[in-house]
Amino acid sequence: DAKTTQPTSMDCAEGRAANLPCNHSTISGNEYVYWYRQIHSQGPQYIIHGLKNNETNEMASLIITEDRKSSTLILPHATLRDTAVYYCIAIGGYQKVTFGIGTKLQVIP
Amino acid sequence: EADIYQTPRYLVIGTGKKITLECSQTMGHDKMYWYQQDPGMELHLIHYSYGVNSTEKGDLSSESTVSRIRTEHFPLTLESARPSHTSQYLCASTLNEKLFFGSGTQLSVL
Repeated sequence: DAKTTQPTSMDCAEGRAANLPCNHSTISGNEYVYWYRQIHSQGPQYIIHGLKNNETNEMASLIITEDRKSSTLILPHATLRDTAVYYCIAIGGYQKVTFGIGTKLQVIP
Repeated sequence: EADIYQTPRYLVIGTGKKITLECSQTMGHDKMYWYQQDPGMELHLIHYSYGVNSTEKGDLSSESTVSRIRTEHFPLTLESARPSHTSQYLCASTLNEKLFFGSGTQLSVL
């Protein structure tokens, strides 16, 4: 699976949009970008995924650049409950799923 | 909600004991994973399976073993527990690459 790079930590004011970047410059054509988050010691929770088009669901939006080398996860109105570690993964086919360090997002009141 | 179950939720055990952590899913997923995670640290893949009779070691070396005799069941076994095995163990199954995680087993070896 392609290597991804994320900032170690970010802060966001409550009610504001949280924009979490991810670089995946070595992504191949059949690899999707997946985002998960982990709150405390719970198992990671799926948020959203995409191939090349922008995607939106009830939790977040995913913006993928045209060259697919980077993406941004957007939480439109961050709440305190969005404080978590966010993982960006680029993966496809029959690859094993591994997690990096992720971005620790702190939502501030 | 995902139907993936891990038992026990918490386990405190003495050194040298043999333990088995259970993981079951009712979704018919072929791919299953075991991850190990210490507090505030990275998730490490220790075992995975692509289906019945398929097991592979992950990126982090582990003294545990796994088996996959049935699609729905992916138990992890430690033949002789040691304090260094104290950690949280998370099981997951996946349809495509969308992972569903169990609640985890917090293992403490004294």
